[in-house]
Amino acid sequence: EPEVTQTPSHQVTQMGQEVILRCVPISNHLYFYWYRQILGQKVEFLVSFYNNEISEKSEIFDDQFSVERPDGSNFTLKIRSTKLEDSAMYFCASSDRGTGGEKLFFGSGTQLSVL
Amino acid sequence: AQSVTQLGSHVSVSEGALVLLRCNYSSSVPPYLFWYVQYPNQGLQLLLKYTSAATLVKGINGFEAEFKKSETSFHLTKPSAHMSDAAEYFCAVRSPAAGNKLTFGGGTRVLVKP
Repeated sequence: EPEVTQTPSHQVTQMGQEVILRCVPISNHLYFYWYRQILGQKVEFLVSFYNNEISEKSEIFDDQFSVERPDGSNFTLKIRSTKLEDSAMYFCASSDRGTGGEKLFFGSGTQLSVL
Repeated sequence: AQSVTQLGSHVSVSEGALVLLRCNYSSSVPPYLFWYVQYPNQGLQLLLKYTSAATLVKGINGFEAEFKKSETSFHLTKPSAHMSDAAEYFCAVRSPAAGNKLTFGGGTRVLVKP
């Protein structure tokens, strides 16, 4: 089965630093997502992206966050100035449709630790 | 607003015994419902989904779930647990009326005893 690839698997950074989390979605997919899971808490939606623009974002996704599809294959999440509370597992996902009932394919995640 | 509640953050079953993971949802309109599984060091993998067709949904690895509108439930079952079923299981709801984002439950970690 095709896979979503995320790099790095672990990222350690100092508070206030910028981080970029990278994802390679499945090649023919058109819809892209970021979710995160803080340790001990639920998986939370951050943002969805379609046709080179954000289609939906959560309250978590404030001005410190941005997403980009810089080329035809990568999808990135940037955190401009990391805070301690940004420490979490970040999951990228993609799908071929955006109707609601389709399957999302998730990557194995990037564990971000902010010190 | 949509939400998902999974009863029991941890479940322990014996190998060969029934696996039952409970999920209740709230949604203002008929939703799409999903069960995802996460094995250690892996991403979330879709087990099965309900999209308004048959109310009894069969998924991979012998799992199935039944959508009960009257109970707002979507419980996951497997008749006979296998050691390889040890993982964390997430119920999720998605509704176009709520913007199409997946809303997850808190997860249930399954331990299978030999």
